[in-house]
Amino acid sequence: DAGVIQSPRHEVTEMGQEVTLRCKPISGHDYLFWYRQTMMRGLELLIYFNNNVPIDDSGMPEDRFSAKMPNASFSTLKIQPSEPRDSAVYFCASSPDSYEQYFGPGTRLTVT
Amino acid sequence: RKEVEQDPGPFNVPEGATVAFNCTYSNSASQSFFWYRQDCRKEPKLLMSVYSSGNEDGRFTAQLNRASQYISLLIRDSKLSDSATYLCAVNYGNTPLVFGKGTRLSVIA
Repeated sequence: DAGVIQSPRHEVTEMGQEVTLRCKPISGHDYLFWYRQTMMRGLELLIYFNNNVPIDDSGMPEDRFSAKMPNASFSTLKIQPSEPRDSAVYFCASSPDSYEQYFGPGTRLTVT
Repeated sequence: RKEVEQDPGPFNVPEGATVAFNCTYSNSASQSFFWYRQDCRKEPKLLMSVYSSGNEDGRFTAQLNRASQYISLLIRDSKLSDSATYLCAVNYGNTPLVFGKGTRLSVIA
């Protein structure tokens, strides 16, 4: 079985640019999560979806961040405009029940 | 957001040693508990669930202490390949998992 797929794996961009991160969850998983990981703050939940519907976006840091899940097999996390403090590893995870989560390989974002 | 706390380490242990990590959680209503393993520059991967009665998987033993509100992970006969960061995760009711920041383990030859 294919695991969670994320793209791109690495992204380097300049401050002010728009960044779009993509995720394909494991087929049949009803839950999808977006996380951000930094050394200082650890793994932070940004937003999660159940059956393509956003359930809790309280972890989204500010209006510059948005996430969509147009169908069961695809989700995007967008940052516009990006700032250097957004530099982190962004993980997507999916789960059949919101408990046992399966993570994608992550996107390492660097904003200069 | 509820707190889940771990000693960041690093725990530096020789091969063959036994090492244990604890993870404390603040909400007594917590229902589900997990240990994840994260290798350097990789994603977290589920290591094992933690059941009320405790559970064992080979060299790994996970236990839950509800009275003191912590879970533990014991690794026996440590291998070099056990070197990683170990994250605990706790579920509160219907909310998603809350992760600790992880404990770094380095097994030394």
